Amino acid sequence: NAGVTQTPKFRVLKTGQSMTLLCAQDMNHEYMYWYRQDPGMGLRLIHYSVGEGTTAKGEVPDGYNVSRLKKQNFLLGLESAAPSQTSVYFCASRLVGGGSISEQYFGPGTRLTVT
Amino acid sequence: GNSVTQMEGPVTLSEEAFLTINCTYTATGYPSLFWYVQYPGEGLQLLLKATKADDKGSNKGFEATYRKETTSFHLEKGSVQVSDSAVYFCALSYSGAGSYQLTFGKGTKLSVIP
Repeated sequence: NAGVTQTPKFRVLKTGQSMTLLCAQDMNHEYMYWYRQDPGMGLRLIHYSVGEGTTAKGEVPDGYNVSRLKKQNFLLGLESAAPSQTSVYFCASRLVGGGSISEQYFGPGTRLTVT
Repeated sequence: GNSVTQMEGPVTLSEEAFLTINCTYTATGYPSLFWYVQYPGEGLQLLLKATKADDKGSNKGFEATYRKETTSFHLEKGSVQVSDSAVYFCALSYSGAGSYQLTFGKGTKLSVIP
């Protein structure tokens, strides 16, 4: 049981390039989330999904797109990377039940640098 | 909207010292409250949680009590160890939107020296 995995672990992009971050979970969780972590800012929600085929915007969605074609995968895309998107990106997942007390399980993160 | 405020770091303590990290929140309704911990180079792990007023969450010697009257969820440990060095995040989850999003504080970095 690998839990939540993220690919790649590190990436350097030039301004204007595009890339996709992959998140995969093997816990059969319905809910999946993408966060970004910046120094002194905590974690902020980018997009989330409450089930296969669904996505919704979070707190900081501009410049990102997401897709949830399969229940176990949640992809985060940057169409035209900007230096402001330099950050550490975390994926998380949780069960649909349990109400607000049910915990989110986090992946190890992807460190992205845009030059 | 919902928000979480936690004490600014970094915090440096000697081994076996008492730890308190303050956390207060603003939320509509009745959120669940969490403390997550991030060890160097890793993702976040749940440390403890509480779902209603006066609940106490505890794990690995850490404790926090959900205080509705003061809208607080302060993290405490009686005797810290070097292995407790990490970044600690206070967070809340509110079910009103149906997505159970977590709203995080900015994090408090703890360093414990021998």
